[in-house]
Amino acid sequence: GENVEQHPSTLSVQEGDSAVIKCTYSDSASNYFPWYKQELGKRPQLIIDIRSNVGEKKDQRIAVTLNKTAKHFSLHITETQPEDSAVYFCAAKVDSSYKLIFGSGTRLLVRP
Amino acid sequence: NAGVTQTPKFRILKIGQSMTLQCTQDMNHNYMYWYRQDPGMGLKLIYYSVGAGITDKGEVPNGYNVSRSTTEDFPLRLELAAPSQTSVYFCASSYSTGSGGSYNEQFFGPGTRLTVL
Repeated sequence: GENVEQHPSTLSVQEGDSAVIKCTYSDSASNYFPWYKQELGKRPQLIIDIRSNVGEKKDQRIAVTLNKTAKHFSLHITETQPEDSAVYFCAAKVDSSYKLIFGSGTRLLVRP
Repeated sequence: NAGVTQTPKFRILKIGQSMTLQCTQDMNHNYMYWYRQDPGMGLKLIYYSVGAGITDKGEVPNGYNVSRSTTEDFPLRLELAAPSQTSVYFCASSYSTGSGGSYNEQFFGPGTRLTVL
């Protein structure tokens, strides 16, 4: 079955710096890749997603890149702010499946 | 729209007790999911449903049961609660045109924090 690996597990950056979180997936039939942000004590919320027919997608300070050949995708946050501090989860969905497979999460700390 | 709602927000159970976690969505989504999240950990899928009357097991279904009699509701039943079931439970829903079709965002409910003592 599909497996998603996420790195790093923790990431500490200075405010204003960029942060990059990487995920790899195992099933080449995966076609949907969302990223969720979870603040402490809150529910996960979608921040950006990308489909397999697109290589990159941007939304203000957030971007996601997808490399289908290497089977990995990355979240890029530029000009980080303290409110970006949270746990970020990547996920992948195999075309024939009804389920998202989540990565193990990255705890991002943005130091003021 | 209220989105995905869950009740209760908090609950403490004694070992061996049973309870039902309620989940309702008002977005007419066909897919619904139950996850558990242990402290500091990721999301583990317990059960999911692709439509009324259809349910299937996720990766950690033991000790739980579900039903889906309507599009809106997807209750999770815990029988004979055990300390290992102490966790935060999230319900989620999404819409898809089916396998191979366009899949859309999963919306999560606010969660139920369950403690079994």
